[in-house]
Amino acid sequence: EAGVAQSPRYKIIEKRQSVAFWCNPISGHATLYWYQQILGQGPKLLIQFQNNGVVDDSQLPKDRFSAERLKGVDSTLKIQPAKLEDSAVYLCASRPGTGGDTEAFFGQGTRLTVV
Amino acid sequence: SQQGEEDPQALSIQEGENATMNCSYKTSINNLQWYRQNSGRGLVHLILIRSNEREKHSGRLRVTLDTSKKSSSLLITASRAADTASYFCATEPGGFKTIFGAGTRLFVKA
Repeated sequence: EAGVAQSPRYKIIEKRQSVAFWCNPISGHATLYWYQQILGQGPKLLIQFQNNGVVDDSQLPKDRFSAERLKGVDSTLKIQPAKLEDSAVYLCASRPGTGGDTEAFFGQGTRLTVV
Repeated sequence: SQQGEEDPQALSIQEGENATMNCSYKTSINNLQWYRQNSGRGLVHLILIRSNEREKHSGRLRVTLDTSKKSSSLLITASRAADTASYFCATEPGGFKTIFGAGTRLFVKA
């Protein structure tokens, strides 16, 4: 079974530029998450999708971050404009179904450096 | 916001010793999970314990859950250098969310 795919693995941009990350979850997984992990901290949930609908985006800085999940499969996370404090690893995860005691499967993440 | 808090923040032990990490959380949960993260890599699921379970084992891992104290512990027995990683507890307070704590950084010396 293929895992969660993310790209790019690394990205360096200047502040005020825009950037986009892509995630392809495990086939058939209805739930998809984006997390932000700042160095030395735990992952912070940014947004949760179930199929192509947003379930929770309460921690997403909506003035600069946006995310979509087209056709309930792939997802993109965009930052525009980026700030220095956005430097972090952005993790995508997926889970089967929309409820029940199941684990989340994580991609390798995209490491973003804003200079 | 982060739901769980791990203790200690960092732990250094010798190979062969046991490692114990603790997690406290704030709200009621459906389940609690433990994940491992090697440096620069994604998170790997270790074990899930349901809210109506008190203890669970998987290989060298033992997890306990005390819902009255809102706490959990992860015990790794006979640790190996390859166990060096960050360990996170994650709770599901509802809505199928997975909320992570700040993690414990474990270093196992060979």
